Amino acid sequence: DTGVSQDPRHKITKRGQNVTFRCDPISEHNRLYWYRQTLGQGPEFLTYFQNEAQLEKSRLLSDRFSAERPKGSFSTLEIQRTEQGDSAMYLCASSLLAASQETQYFGPGTRLLVL
Amino acid sequence: GDSVTQMEGPVTLSEEAFLTINCTYTATGYPSLFWYVQYPGEGLQLLLKATKADDKGSNKGFEATYRKETTSFHLEKGSVQVSDSAVYFCALSDLGFGNEKLTFGTGTRLTIIP
Repeated sequence: DTGVSQDPRHKITKRGQNVTFRCDPISEHNRLYWYRQTLGQGPEFLTYFQNEAQLEKSRLLSDRFSAERPKGSFSTLEIQRTEQGDSAMYLCASSLLAASQETQYFGPGTRLLVL
Repeated sequence: GDSVTQMEGPVTLSEEAFLTINCTYTATGYPSLFWYVQYPGEGLQLLLKATKADDKGSNKGFEATYRKETTSFHLEKGSVQVSDSAVYFCALSDLGFGNEKLTFGTGTRLTIIP
């Protein structure tokens, strides 16, 4: 079990640039979640996928944000025209939908700094 | 909507002291409750969970009991170690919304001094 991986671990960009993050879930997991964590706060839900279908998006996810999960495997989160307020840690989690309560397993996160 | 309120930190204790981190919640359905821990430089890890009222979750000497009457899920440990220094997050997921997204508290930073 290799766990959830995220790439890159750190990203520094200038305001107005586009950035893309990748998440590789645990291989048999069919659910994938994205969260955002700002300094001193707990993670906040952004969106989630069941297999390749994006089933819910938070109000936090503005039109500049888009997420995909082609073929129900890895996922990408893209932020267009970044703003300083986008600086945060972006966390990915995966889980296996089953009859019993699922447990989400988190990756190490991608820390974004927008200058 | 759902929310989690947890004890503000930072909390500093001496090794072998008793630990309590308070957590209360508001939910419209029948939530499951979790404690996650974030060690320095690492990702979030599930510490323990409880899925229904009066359940007790336990792991690594930590315990928390799901109290529906007080809407609480306080984290306790009888004797803390330096290696327990981390940030602790209380969270809930509410099955009533059809997915199990987690709603987190703001986190409590715990430092244990030798």
